[in-house]
Formats: sequence, structure tokens, C-alpha cells
Amino acid sequence: DGGITQSPKYLFRKEGQNVTLSCEQNLNHDAMYWYRQDPGQGLRLIYYSQIVNDFQKGDIAEGYSVSREKKESFPLTVTSAQKNPTAFYLCASSMSGRQPQHFGDGTRLSIL
Amino acid sequence: GESVGLHLPTLSVQEGDNSIINCAYSNSASDYFIWYKQESGKGPQFIIDIRSNMDKRQGQRVTVLLNKTVKHLSLQIAATQPGDSAVYFCAETPGNDYKLSFGAGTTVTVRA
Repeated sequence: DGGITQSPKYLFRKEGQNVTLSCEQNLNHDAMYWYRQDPGQGLRLIYYSQIVNDFQKGDIAEGYSVSREKKESFPLTVTSAQKNPTAFYLCASSMSGRQPQHFGDGTRLSIL
Repeated sequence: GESVGLHLPTLSVQEGDNSIINCAYSNSASDYFIWYKQESGKGPQFIIDIRSNMDKRQGQRVTVLLNKTVKHLSLQIAATQPGDSAVYFCAETPGNDYKLSFGAGTTVTVRA
């Protein structure tokens, strides 16, 4: 089945540590996105990529980094500079702009 | 600032009744709108979308209405079922083809 796979489902980070969240899609979509969701709130855009080897900052990019070396993959690194990383992280993809974004089932990141 | 928001954070509906979920937006440049359903611990699931050249669009048991004059969007669910219990988000594209701006969500609870 086509879809978006995020891993791991749960992740724990120690203070001062970088962690990388995986996102893979087999929908042949050009665009991919990373969102952060805090309890009881909507989604906020961290980074997005319209095409391979290109990405742009979203509304809350500080403390995060991404790469887009392959069409299928858009990993997100939560760096030690992100002081409040505990959240639910969601990856999405779409064929292009102004098209429905399809989401994975998220990674829940917690701090040890 | 400009934002997307839902009128009510919670909605309780009797099984079999119709549900109406409302959303107000303030960016007059927005021309693409989406409704998502999110169940606990999962990623948002696409329900239906609408572009600004339309004022109504129907799907299976759902209808989205767009009133550009008052910047209002609504999602109607016919014959609400227990499986419809979830958090519903509206989202818009505020001028950038790829960026979706999400509201805070409405939690719908279906009473048996």
C-alpha cells in the first residue's frame, strides 16, 4: 500500500543530544513537510520541501534541521538548540502545492 | 496576526444527528481550504478540500461550505456515527502554495 511511514513511533532524547526522525513516502509526491503538534493545539510547520535538494523554513524552524537527498525521504533532526522538543512530530507529503497533504502517524518525542 | 480558527473547541452530538463544525479565517488571500480528522495518537486524515472558486463541495456523508464574504468555512457530517468521534481541523493556504495554516481543532464526541 502507498503511504507515509514515520519511525520510530516513540523517541527519547537526553539533554544536549541531537535526534533524527525518519519519514519515508512511496506516493511519488514531490513535496514533503514536517509539523510539530503540542497538546490541544493545531499543527505548526517546521520545514517543507517542494522538490529534491531544496527545502524552506516554516514558522518554527529554529532548533531543527532537514535534508532532502531523495524524493522518498525527508528526515528531521531535532538539535540540542531546540530547548522545548517534547511534542508530537508529523510528516506529510503532497503531489504539489494547493493539493491535499497526506500524513504519517507521527513520532512522539520526549526528554529523559 | 492573521489566523485560522474554529468557533468551538468541543462539540457533542447524538448518534444519527447531523454535525456542523465551523471555522473562521481572516486572510482574504487564502484560496484553498482543507478539513482533516485526527484520531488519538494518529496523524490527520484528509476529509475534503475546497477551492475559493467554489462555495460548496460534497463527499461521502460530508459537505464543506465556503462563505468568502464573511471568511467562514464549515464542515457538515450527515448521520453522525461513533467512528466520527475525533478532533477536526480546518486549514488554509495563506498565500503560499505549500504552506498550510491550521486552526486549533474541534473535538467531536458522539453520544450513543
